Amino acid sequence: GAVVSQHPSWVICKSGTSVKIECRSLDFQATTMFWYRQFPKQSLMLMATSNEGSKATYEQGVEKDKFLINHASLTLSTLTVTSAHPEDSSFYICSARAGKGSYEQYFGPGTRLTVT
Amino acid sequence: DAKTTQPTSMDCAEGRAANLPCNHSTISGNEYVYWYRQIHSQGPQYIIHGLKNNETNEMASLIITEDRKSSTLILPHATLRDTAVYYCIVRVANDYKLSFGAGTTVTVRA
Repeated sequence: GAVVSQHPSWVICKSGTSVKIECRSLDFQATTMFWYRQFPKQSLMLMATSNEGSKATYEQGVEKDKFLINHASLTLSTLTVTSAHPEDSSFYICSARAGKGSYEQYFGPGTRLTVT
Repeated sequence: DAKTTQPTSMDCAEGRAANLPCNHSTISGNEYVYWYRQIHSQGPQYIIHGLKNNETNEMASLIITEDRKSSTLILPHATLRDTAVYYCIVRVANDYKLSFGAGTTVTVRA
């Protein structure tokens, strides 16, 4: 149980285009989902927290207009990187919290984004 | 959140127990100790967590010192598939966020 999937697993896009990454909780309803970014040889950095049906909360230094997060249902959150640039190339990982009273986070397998 | 300090890297022999230390000397009474690991190019995997008592599950054991200022994650019989970065994280009881540090790169050798 507690499986989180991400799609796509990897994507290559041209500079200036936008790319959407999906995060799904497959066997539970996720009240809260988190988006992380990980550059090579670095640790995970939390980008934002999204609660179903409300606006995402972004960490300091993360541009909300560049990284659009939508959490329209209890099983799906999306991250859209708008006007992507090579410096946005990174490993994007989502996690999901199972629900009220649960503090455990279950992580997706990650999405490798390369901007050329 | 309390900060954690872990060794940068460790080598372990296959089949032997791997003992991973973590220092969290500023931990507060309402903060939990969590361990995750990340195998190369994958998302983190939850291992175990505890508050003050020692904990054991099918993956590992967590030993927390009586003063809670440090802990040790024990992988009882390390295998090559246990090669990963192991993160020790302190989480406040009523906060959902996890703050990942640099972790310990564990390499299990045959």
